[in-house]
Amino acid sequence: NAGVTQTPKFRVLKTGQSMTLLCAQDMNHEYMYWYRQDPGMGLRLIHYSVGEGTTAKGEVPDGYNVSRLKKQNFLLGLESAAPSQTSVYFCASTSGQVDSPLHFGNGTRLTVT
Amino acid sequence: QKEVEQDPGPLSVPEGAIVSLNCTYSNSAFQYFMWYRQYSRKGPELLMYTYSSGNKEDGRFTAQVDKSSKYISLFIRDSQPSDSATYLCATNTGGFKTIFGAGTRLFVKA
Repeated sequence: NAGVTQTPKFRVLKTGQSMTLLCAQDMNHEYMYWYRQDPGMGLRLIHYSVGEGTTAKGEVPDGYNVSRLKKQNFLLGLESAAPSQTSVYFCASTSGQVDSPLHFGNGTRLTVT
Repeated sequence: QKEVEQDPGPLSVPEGAIVSLNCTYSNSAFQYFMWYRQYSRKGPELLMYTYSSGNKEDGRFTAQVDKSSKYISLFIRDSQPSDSATYLCATNTGGFKTIFGAGTRLFVKA
């Protein structure tokens, strides 16, 4: 049982380039999230989805887009990368039950030069 | 003001010490309180979960919530080098959006 899998694990982009981060979960969870983690800032919510075909903005959505075409996958896109988007990106999922924890992937480390 | 405030540390203690990690929050509507543990280069994992005020114990770990002062604590007894990690407090209102503190880096020296 893989849980939450993120690809790629590492990536270096030049300013202005685009890329897509993929998150896949095999727990049949309804809710999926993308967070970024920066030193001293903790985990900040970028976008989230409450079910297949739905997406919503989180705390820091600017510069990112997402799609949830299949229940098990949640994609995060950067259309024109900026150095301020250098961060560690975490995907998480949960069933949505009150006491159900967030299950996290192991992150994608992105550097934008 | 952040909704959840947490001192990022780092906090360094000798093996066997009692560790106290703390957070404060601003929204009285928060009902569910969690502590996640994150090892280096890994994703966070749920360590403790508490509903409303009170204490919850699990082995060497005790989570404490004081809603009157909006204070969340995690105590680690007989700390071990394997406890070295970043500890994130988190809370939500019972919905599907969880808010995290900045995380406290803990080092337990052998």
